[in-house]
Amino acid sequence: EVQLVESGGGLVQPGGSLRLSCAASGFTFSTYWMTWVRQAPGKGLEWVANIKQDGSEKYYVDSVKGRFTISRDNAKNLLYLQLNSLRAEDTAVYYCATELGTVPAGYWGQGTLVTVSS
Amino acid sequence: QSALTQPASVSGSPGQSITISCTGTSSDVGGYNYVSWYQQHPGKAPKLMIYDVNKRPSGVSNRFSGSKSGNTASLTISGLQAEDEADYYCSSYTSSTTWVFGGGTKLTVL
Repeated sequence: EVQLVESGGGLVQPGGSLRLSCAASGFTFSTYWMTWVRQAPGKGLEWVANIKQDGSEKYYVDSVKGRFTISRDNAKNLLYLQLNSLRAEDTAVYYCATELGTVPAGYWGQGTLVTVSS
Repeated sequence: QSALTQPASVSGSPGQSITISCTGTSSDVGGYNYVSWYQQHPGKAPKLMIYDVNKRPSGVSNRFSGSKSGNTASLTISGLQAEDEADYYCSSYTSSTTWVFGGGTKLTVL
């Protein structure tokens, strides 16, 4: 059974940093593109970033370019999202998901909440 | 990277059919047959319902179907049931090698 478990969320001040992790199990992690999707409170889904199987390609939504970094550790079956220079508008539940070829997010984790506030 | 356009809300009675539209541009919906639809119940993670415009993952009811014409994709739910009440989101691949979601549609079963 595919399992994705996010962690690392919490309350952070504007301008601060946070690193989110996603522990994957139940599938061969190293053979899948992986994705982060976020959802602000009461708002819709927003695709944030994705990363190729070997980490050689990474893509980001314009609003996080230069501030967020996606990475992975295939030996540990872990996906990361480093969040820097955080803004109030980054407040959201962050989901990790498997990208399945032509599907941006096939399997989803339960999400981790990031709150940016002073 | 503008969000795809969906109606904010739709409603229908049990047993009826409803259709949710998802409008993009030739750089996303119109340019690729990589449109997916997700169902999200309150407090839960989204669930994939349709992919590649009109394909259903294993386990998804055949009451759910998808289609596309030009820059607009559609999700149709037939034989509405109370459990279908949820938020629905479309997504598409884009020419920028990124993905984009729609703004979401709240389905109310009357």
